Amino acid sequence: SQQGEEDPQALSIQEGENATMNCSYKTSINNLQWYRQNSGRGLVHLILIRSNEREKHSGRLRVTLDTSKKSSSLLITASRAADTASYFCATGTPSNTGKLIFGQGTTLQVKP
Amino acid sequence: DTAVSQTPKYLVTQMGNDKSIKCEQNLGHDTMYWYKQDSKKFLKIMFSYNNKELIINETVPNRFSPKSPDKAHLNLHINSLELGDSAVYFCASSNIHGNEQFFGPGTRLTVL
Repeated sequence: SQQGEEDPQALSIQEGENATMNCSYKTSINNLQWYRQNSGRGLVHLILIRSNEREKHSGRLRVTLDTSKKSSSLLITASRAADTASYFCATGTPSNTGKLIFGQGTTLQVKP
Repeated sequence: DTAVSQTPKYLVTQMGNDKSIKCEQNLGHDTMYWYKQDSKKFLKIMFSYNNKELIINETVPNRFSPKSPDKAHLNLHINSLELGDSAVYFCASSNIHGNEQFFGPGTRLTVL
């Protein structure tokens, strides 16, 4: 299966703490993206990192990519209750058709 | 001014029926997608169209037929619905390179 894996599957932290989620994948990629899904909603794009990049920042988000280990991590700093959601990594294939392969997701709960 | 909209939001139907889900995007994107998210939140691509042309067709039963009347619309028709079709179906759109996909709110299909 091409499906990636994320860990942990669930994460519960206190407001203000940092949250780290990891993603592993199996095939060659063009890019890796992270999406957030609030309960009962569609997915929202957070950040994209290209296969030739190692780290990227966007506000309180920091993403790393290690193509030799086929893994990525998403760090959310100074978490807020509003960050409570499911987070998915998705890999873009080299064919550049727009096809994304999603990981299983990490459910993050941030307690106020 | 919703970017990607889907109708209906909920769909409850009996086994064997035929149903359609409509999707529209007003972002001017060339590419549209259908995804299926199961009860474990596993998200898998089904189809993608680029400017009304089928680009991605994953191993989806023939009972599922996408139709793109123009590049702003991608509808999903499902024949002879089965219990296993119960899921949340998401429409998404992106520019041709698919770097960032914009998702609709989802349609929760329940087959009884």
